[in-house]
Amino acid sequence: GNSVTQMEGPVTLSEEAFLTINCTYTATGYPSLFWYVQYPGEGLQLLLKATKADDKGSNKGFEATYRKETTSFHLEKGSVQVSDSAVYFCALTRLNTNAGKSTFGDGTTLTVKP
Amino acid sequence: NAGVTQTPKFQVLKTGQSMTLQCAQDMNHNSMYWYRQDPGMGLRLIYYSASEGTTDKGEVPNGYNVSRLNKREFSLRLESAAPSQTSVYFCASTPFGGVGEKLFFGSGTQLSVL
Repeated sequence: GNSVTQMEGPVTLSEEAFLTINCTYTATGYPSLFWYVQYPGEGLQLLLKATKADDKGSNKGFEATYRKETTSFHLEKGSVQVSDSAVYFCALTRLNTNAGKSTFGDGTTLTVKP
Repeated sequence: NAGVTQTPKFQVLKTGQSMTLQCAQDMNHNSMYWYRQDPGMGLRLIYYSASEGTTDKGEVPNGYNVSRLNKREFSLRLESAAPSQTSVYFCASTPFGGVGEKLFFGSGTQLSVL
């Protein structure tokens, strides 16, 4: 079956540090890959996505590249801010599957200190 | 600019009590979903409605029922609550449920069953 494995948290960084959150997946075919972010007390919201191999998704300074050869979709940001403190979820949706039947990772909690 | 609205935000139940979680979206989306989020775990799909008039089981449907009341509203019912149903519940929607579509989430309902 499908699975998404994220690096374990929590992750604590100082402001302006470089961020990497690892995500690897197992799925047949060519899934679409997503990063969602959940701020305290809120629902998840899409951060970025990539729908085919070698695509790079980017938003708000975050980037992730769909690497089929390593089945990975690692999230990166060059300089984090306190406002980036949140829980980050990697997710995939298989081809020909309803968008809501996505497989989510367990989430990685990021805390950024001033 | 409401998006997906869930009520209530918090609820405490005793074992055996029943309740209905309400969800409404104002984006004219066809597909709607209910998830549960447990500590340290990703989201798990309970039920979904690909379009008005249809509902299907997700990964963890036992102990729940749903109703797609109209295109806007999708409710989740717990007939006899159990402590194992203590969780945070999220409603979400997508335009058509197509692969690559992003999920729009509500802000969640925190449910405790004593």
